[in-house]
Amino acid sequence: EAEVAQSPRYKITEKSQAVAFWCDPISGHATLYWYRQILGQGPELLVQFQDESVVDDSQLPKDRFSAERLKGVDSTLKIQPAELGDSAMYLCASSSTFPSSYEQYFGPGTRLTVT
Amino acid sequence: GQQVMQIPQYQHVQEGEDFTTYCNSSTTLSNIQWYKQRPGGHPVFLIQLVKSGEVKKQKRLTFQFGEAKKNSSLHITATQTTDVGTYFCGWKETSGSRLTFGEGTQLTVNP
Repeated sequence: EAEVAQSPRYKITEKSQAVAFWCDPISGHATLYWYRQILGQGPELLVQFQDESVVDDSQLPKDRFSAERLKGVDSTLKIQPAELGDSAMYLCASSSTFPSSYEQYFGPGTRLTVT
Repeated sequence: GQQVMQIPQYQHVQEGEDFTTYCNSSTTLSNIQWYKQRPGGHPVFLIQLVKSGEVKKQKRLTFQFGEAKKNSSLHITATQTTDVGTYFCGWKETSGSRLTFGEGTQLTVNP
């Protein structure tokens, strides 16, 4: 069964350092999402791509976060500089357009710890 | 503004007991989805409800969307230890808007 791939699975970094996460969605899925999940809370959407275009980044802290999906396939989320409050699980999800576009498939996530 | 509450935050049951979690909105929703996240895992899609008064069943799970499209529930009959996890509702205010997740209900099942 096809899955969303993410790497790394765990990342420990010091504050003020740069960190990057990678996501490879299910093949053929045009829509890609990056979520942040703080322990004990639901996922919060950071950015949504349709192919290579950003369709929603209203909750992305753009002073330190950036995301790209240059060829409309895999995607990278970057944080620079990392802050203590960025410690969380970063989840990538993807969804298809046909036959339905609503079911989101999540990857295993990257757990970030900022020290 | 939009206010959706998911209750309860935690639920502890004995195996075999029933379980229900609710999502209640102050405004009408376009649709609602339910996801399950096992401890240490990632969210897994369960169902989407779109129509007013819609009821869907998946084995021991029953999902409802209220007539006014402001409330939804997930009911599990005769819980099993495999049901352990956090159940999230996710909603859209309009069909094209972002999916927003609730705080989740963490279910523990004592064998």
